[in-house]
Amino acid sequence: KQEVTQIPAALSVPEGENLVLNCSFTDSAIYNLQWFRQDPGKGLTSLLLIQSSQREQTSGRLNASLDKSSGRSTLYIAASQPGDSATYLCAVRGGNYGQNFVFGPGTRLSVLP
Amino acid sequence: NAGVTQTPKFQVLKTGQSMTLQCAQDMNHEYMSWYRQDPGMGLRLIHYSVGAGITDQGEVPNGYNVSRSTTEDFPLRLLSAAPSQTSVYFCASRSTGENIQYFGAGTRLSVL
Repeated sequence: KQEVTQIPAALSVPEGENLVLNCSFTDSAIYNLQWFRQDPGKGLTSLLLIQSSQREQTSGRLNASLDKSSGRSTLYIAASQPGDSATYLCAVRGGNYGQNFVFGPGTRLSVLP
Repeated sequence: NAGVTQTPKFQVLKTGQSMTLQCAQDMNHEYMSWYRQDPGMGLRLIHYSVGAGITDQGEVPNGYNVSRSTTEDFPLRLLSAAPSQTSVYFCASRSTGENIQYFGAGTRLSVL
């Protein structure tokens, strides 16, 4: 059974810092991995998607990497801003779940002004 | 652009009551799914559908029913609500040719 974990569970940083969020998964036979952002009381918004054949994806100040063999992904946020405060979830598709996504519990990020 | 629309946004039920959570998408997506989100846990898949007339169970299907009579709509039914079903429910959709999932804003359900 695919299991996804995220470390840390919560993170508080001062504005301007670069930070890394971690995601680990147990079954490396994935099709892709997706990072989402969730604001309080809201739905999920897709940030970055990495196909299994890719090593990383970039969008603005965000960079996501994927190491399938070790079952790890990282989300790097450069020059963090208070507006980045949210919960960040990773989800993997494939493996035993086929076309469905398995989600991690999320990392709650607070960027202090 | 409406995207994925969920109704209601909030609901309070008494134990044993039934209700239907509505989900509609206007992107002509074949794949639709329902998740529940509980504190400290990731989203868990309840049921999913790969097209009209086709549904299947996810990780936590007990206590929930679904149907998919049209491409646009994928309602989730609670036949006899239990306090353990207190949660936030999300509907999502995607095209089978795409990988990005689009989520609704969620339904916050409390069962007393």
